[in-house]
Amino acid sequence: EAGVAQSPRYKIIEKRQSVAFWCNPISGHATLYWYQQILGQGPKLLIQFQNNGVVDDSQLPKDRFSAERLKGVDSTLKIQPAKLEDSAVYLCASISTGTGINEQFFGPGTRLTVL
Amino acid sequence: GDSVTQMEGPVTLSEEAFLTINCTYTATGYPSLFWYVQYPGEGLQLLLKATKADDKGSNKGFEATYRKETTSFHLEKGSVQVSDSAVYFCALSDPNQGGKLIFGQGTELSVKP
Repeated sequence: EAGVAQSPRYKIIEKRQSVAFWCNPISGHATLYWYQQILGQGPKLLIQFQNNGVVDDSQLPKDRFSAERLKGVDSTLKIQPAKLEDSAVYLCASISTGTGINEQFFGPGTRLTVL
Repeated sequence: GDSVTQMEGPVTLSEEAFLTINCTYTATGYPSLFWYVQYPGEGLQLLLKATKADDKGSNKGFEATYRKETTSFHLEKGSVQVSDSAVYFCALSDPNQGGKLIFGQGTELSVKP
């Protein structure tokens, strides 16, 4: 079974530029999460989708971050404009059901460096 | 809100030493508890989990017991190997909050031969 795919793996941009990350969850997984992992910290949830609807985006800095999950499969996370403090690893995860204690499967992440 | 606190690292041990990584949590409901591991250059992987008080999760020689009275979920292994070198994250999930994971800050483990 293929895992969660993310691209690109690495991205370096200058502040005020825009950037987009892509995630393809495990086939059939209805719930998709984006997490931000700053160096030396644990991942923090940015946004959660159930199919193509947003369940939780309370921690998403909506003035600069946006995310969508068209057709309930792939998802894109965008930052515009980027700030230095956005340097982090952006992780995508998926599970097969919307709630509960099922295992979240994580992708390899996209490491973003903002100069 | 809910939170997880882990012992700070890095932790350096010799091969075959006993490992304990402390984890305590704060939650309003009845969360499930997890340990995730991140090996160098790889993504997060679930190591073990426990869904209710007194449950013991175990995998690959690692164990952790869900202690509601002390709000703890300490990770233990009797004899570590060099291949256990990684960053370990304790996390909780409240099923009533969409299943999102709340992570501790991670503990880096380095095992020397």
